[in-house]
Amino acid sequence: DAKTTQPNSMESNEEEPVHLPCNHSTISGTDYIHWYRQLPSQGPEYVIHGLTSNVNNRMASLAIAEDRKSSTLILHRATLRDAAVYYCILRGTNAGNMLTFGGGTRLMVKP
Amino acid sequence: DGGITQSPKYLFRKEGQNVTLSCEQNLNHDAMYWYRQDPGQGLRLIYYSQIVNDFQKGDIAEGYSVSREKKESFPLTVTSAQKNPTAFYLCASSVIAGQGATNEKLFFGSGTQLSVL
Repeated sequence: DAKTTQPNSMESNEEEPVHLPCNHSTISGTDYIHWYRQLPSQGPEYVIHGLTSNVNNRMASLAIAEDRKSSTLILHRATLRDAAVYYCILRGTNAGNMLTFGGGTRLMVKP
Repeated sequence: DGGITQSPKYLFRKEGQNVTLSCEQNLNHDAMYWYRQDPGQGLRLIYYSQIVNDFQKGDIAEGYSVSREKKESFPLTVTSAQKNPTAFYLCASSVIAGQGATNEKLFFGSGTQLSVL
């Protein structure tokens, strides 16, 4: 799987939107962009994924750059429960199709 | 409720001892995975299984063993050969694995914290 680059940490105020960036300059044409988040002492949970077009679901929105070399996870109104580590992962067509999780972005939400 | 169950939540290992971590899923998923997470780090893949009676090594398989005798179960044994076993272990599953699975999401258990006495 191709590598992704994310900031180590970000801070947000409660009730404000949050934009979490991810760079993936070596993405291949068939790689899907997945986002997961991990709350303290828990397993990661799926947030959203996409290939080329922007995606929305009840948790977040995913904005994908036209050249697909970067993407942004958007939380429209951050809550204290959104404080977590957010992982941006590329899921490719290699034999095991395993997800490789880097260090992610630790999001801190201030009340 | 459908999901993945890992047990125990906390486990302690003595020097030279093998320990087995349990992972059970009732999601009817074909693929299952084991990851290791060290403090402040991301997840690293230990083993994965795409189908019953088949499994493949991940990035850090040395010192670990697995079996996949049933679709629902994918236990991980941390052997005495694993010299630094203290970590948070996560089990996951997905509908399928392989080349058609780029669109599939992973479902994770709540993890097992393994420590060495």
